[in-house]
Amino acid sequence: GENVEQHPSTLSVQEGDSAVIKCTYSDSASNYFPWYKQELGKGPQLIIDIRSNVGEKKDQRIAVTLNKTAKHFSLHITETQPEDSAVYFCAASKNDMRFGAGTRLTVKP
Amino acid sequence: DGGITQSPKYLFRKEGQNVTLSCEQNLNHDAMYWYRQDPGQGLRLIYYSQIVNDFQKGDIAEGYSVSREKKESFPLTVTSAQKNPTAFYLCASKGTYSNQPQHFGDGTRLSIL
Repeated sequence: GENVEQHPSTLSVQEGDSAVIKCTYSDSASNYFPWYKQELGKGPQLIIDIRSNVGEKKDQRIAVTLNKTAKHFSLHITETQPEDSAVYFCAASKNDMRFGAGTRLTVKP
Repeated sequence: DGGITQSPKYLFRKEGQNVTLSCEQNLNHDAMYWYRQDPGQGLRLIYYSQIVNDFQKGDIAEGYSVSREKKESFPLTVTSAQKNPTAFYLCASKGTYSNQPQHFGDGTRLSIL
């Protein structure tokens, strides 16, 4: 089955800096890659996703890149703000969705 | 507003007691899922259901049971056989196609008295 690895497990950046979170997946048949943000005491919320027919997608300060050959994808957050502080999860899916272990992002004012 | 509602937000269980966590969705989604999240950990799949009256075990089904009698509802029972039930439980639903996101509720935190 699919296995998703996510790095780093914790990330601390200064406000205004960029943050990058990386994930790798094992099943080359996976074709859908969502990213979720989870705030304390809440459920994960979808922030951006990418399908395998696209190499990059942007939404304001958030972008995701996908390298199908290397089987890895990354989340890029630019101009980070304190409200970006949360746990971020990547996932990969063909039929079953598998999640990475999460990255705790802290943005220091 | 369409979404997923989990209740209660906090739940306490006594030793030897079964408790049931509620999950309701009005997104008209066929698939529903239950995950367990331990502090600082990722999401582990307990059970999932692709269609009414059908469900499958996930990676950590022991000590849990589910039912799917209605499309909108997928309750999870944490039985007394689950020896370490303290965790944050998340319910999710998804539409028909494989390349769609799962939508999550805001979770139920279960603790042992």
